[in-house]
Amino acid sequence: NAGVMQNPRHLVRRRGQEARLRCSPMKGHSHVYWYRQLPEEGLKFMVYLQKENIIDESGMPKERFSAEFPKEGPSILRIQQVVRGDSAAYFCASSRVLTPEQYFGPGTRLTVT
Amino acid sequence: DQQVKQNSPSLSVQEGRISILNCDYTNSMFDYFLWYKKYPAEGPTFLISISSIKDKNEDGRFTVFLNKSAKHLSLHIVPSQPGDSAVYFCAAVSNTGNQFYFGTGTSLTVIP
Repeated sequence: NAGVMQNPRHLVRRRGQEARLRCSPMKGHSHVYWYRQLPEEGLKFMVYLQKENIIDESGMPKERFSAEFPKEGPSILRIQQVVRGDSAAYFCASSRVLTPEQYFGPGTRLTVT
Repeated sequence: DQQVKQNSPSLSVQEGRISILNCDYTNSMFDYFLWYKKYPAEGPTFLISISSIKDKNEDGRFTVFLNKSAKHLSLHIVPSQPGDSAVYFCAAVSNTGNQFYFGTGTSLTVIP
């Protein structure tokens, strides 16, 4: 029973490039969450999605960041025109309907040079 | 605005003794609390949770206590083992949303 999968595990981008982070939830999970962890900080909520719907994006920066969870395929977190401050670990989590426990993937470590 | 706080960034405990990790929260709308364990370069792993209708939940060596009036929860690990060495995050969620609020973590070191 595969857990939450994220790829790539490490991503290096130059300032101004685009970063695409992918997340495949656990089998049977229809809810996906994205979190960001900056150095020396805890995890900060970014966005909560169900299939084809963004439910809560209150933690997402208003510009350059977008997320989707299409009917088929993984959830994508997209960061356009990356800046050095975007360097962080990005974690995806998934959960079943009506259960609060979220299960996390291994994370994608984004480095902007 | 840190709604969930873990005021001890680190804790060292001898193997076999009890580890107590603390967490405080400010939002009275939180009604479900979770503890996660995280190793370096890995995602957080769910450990144990507690609903606000309870004051204690136990799973093997792990027990979580909730004091709603003090807005405080704690995780007890007994006996502590070297493999428990990791960063522990507490998280809270309210019944009006799905957003988890995480503390900043406590790094536990269990000394053999």
